[in-house]
Amino acid sequence: AQSVTQLDSQVPVFEEAPVELRCNYSSSVSVYLFWYVQYPNQGLQLLLKYLSGSTLVESINGFEAEFNKSQTSFHLRKPSVHISDTAEYFCAVTSPGAGSYQLTFGKGTKLSVIP
Amino acid sequence: GAGVSQSPSNKVTEKGKDVELRCDPISGHTALYWYRQSLGQGLEFLIYFQGNSAPDKSGLPSDRFSAERTGGSVSTLTIQRTQQEDSAVYLCASSFRQPGYNEQFFGPGTRLTVL
Repeated sequence: AQSVTQLDSQVPVFEEAPVELRCNYSSSVSVYLFWYVQYPNQGLQLLLKYLSGSTLVESINGFEAEFNKSQTSFHLRKPSVHISDTAEYFCAVTSPGAGSYQLTFGKGTKLSVIP
Repeated sequence: GAGVSQSPSNKVTEKGKDVELRCDPISGHTALYWYRQSLGQGLEFLIYFQGNSAPDKSGLPSDRFSAERTGGSVSTLTIQRTQQEDSAVYLCASSFRQPGYNEQFFGPGTRLTVL
């Protein structure tokens, strides 16, 4: 079985400040890791993913996440946030090597960017 | 191209009634997933279809929930004898055929309210 823990349910941050959204996972097999974003009144969109290779992955809008196998973490960071980053962020994991293709999600972190 | 579509966008029903929720996946996507997003439980996997294989029903919360996929395309999620705890947003996602990683694209969801 696999699980995802997002330690913060809400994160307020001032505009142009840095932010880190924390994600830890538990799995007995190798995993793929994802961050999804849900903007207000919109559907889920893939923000970035780790499948293999470089442990640091980046999105097109300045977010990055680093896979840390020893700490079983996949924290999401951005050095300078914008108002438009206000959204709910979900960390997710899947273990295709175990024949499991469905995503297991964390409970989400609501990022509020304050002007 | 068209994304994943779901209907209805909103459904209000009375406790004890049956409901059907529809998902039209992206053309060519052979994998289809149903998830549920509720306030208390976050995002939960319900069921997974892959081509003509038997579906993975491991996430269905009770035998009141069922789903089918006709012709390898459209899927219907049925909830019988609805209960208030069934109130949630039901999300559908589709992807290209497994194995290997293929991004899941999510629909806008159906918001179900059970009175």
